[in-house]
Amino acid sequence: DVKVTQSSRYLVKRTGEKVFLECVQDMDHENMFWYRQDPGLGLRLIYFSYDVKMKEKGDIPEGYSVSREKKERFSLILESASTNQTSMYLCASSSVGQGTSYEQYFGPGTRLTVT
Amino acid sequence: LAKTTQPISMDSYEGQEVNITCSHNNIATNDYITWYQQFPSQGPRFIIQGYKTKVTNEVASLFIPADRKSSTLSLPRVSLSDTAVYYCLVGSTSLNQGGKLIFGQGTELSVKP
Repeated sequence: DVKVTQSSRYLVKRTGEKVFLECVQDMDHENMFWYRQDPGLGLRLIYFSYDVKMKEKGDIPEGYSVSREKKERFSLILESASTNQTSMYLCASSSVGQGTSYEQYFGPGTRLTVT
Repeated sequence: LAKTTQPISMDSYEGQEVNITCSHNNIATNDYITWYQQFPSQGPRFIIQGYKTKVTNEVASLFIPADRKSSTLSLPRVSLSDTAVYYCLVGSTSLNQGGKLIFGQGTELSVKP
């Protein structure tokens, strides 16, 4: 079974702190994703990586950066946390599907609270 | 701007068939339609995916009309354990070539005994 793990289930940080969220997948997937999930808004893509050291902005990249130094690990960085970044953060991975199809496997999520 | 729209909530009873429709008027040629199920305190889990017409697997069916501007997830004979939030996703993995991944806001399905 594919396993996607996230470094923390719950995290509380102060405004202005630098925050690292880490994600590890064990299925040698090429693609990795970071989403945030907010009530009434569904999941919104922050960043996407299709290979080591490669990244693409999603719909809401402002205030975030990412790092992918190894294939299995994808980190989300909040350079200076703000209260409007309080949210559930979900990591996912997928293989390169046939054509443009794919199935994403999600981690359990990190509930981040910024005070 | 591409938008994926689905009902906020639905109620059903055990043993009934449930159909959840997603609207995606601006779907692109390369986009697939995927449905995910999410339980509290868990990440979403893949249910089914399709491009056009009808797809069926052991847990659900997905109906996509010829114009692909909408899709319907069909859950046969639901049980209490199907109570969850269901998300429609429209997009492709060609994100590095201008593709998009657009999730709907989720449909909270409540199955009652």
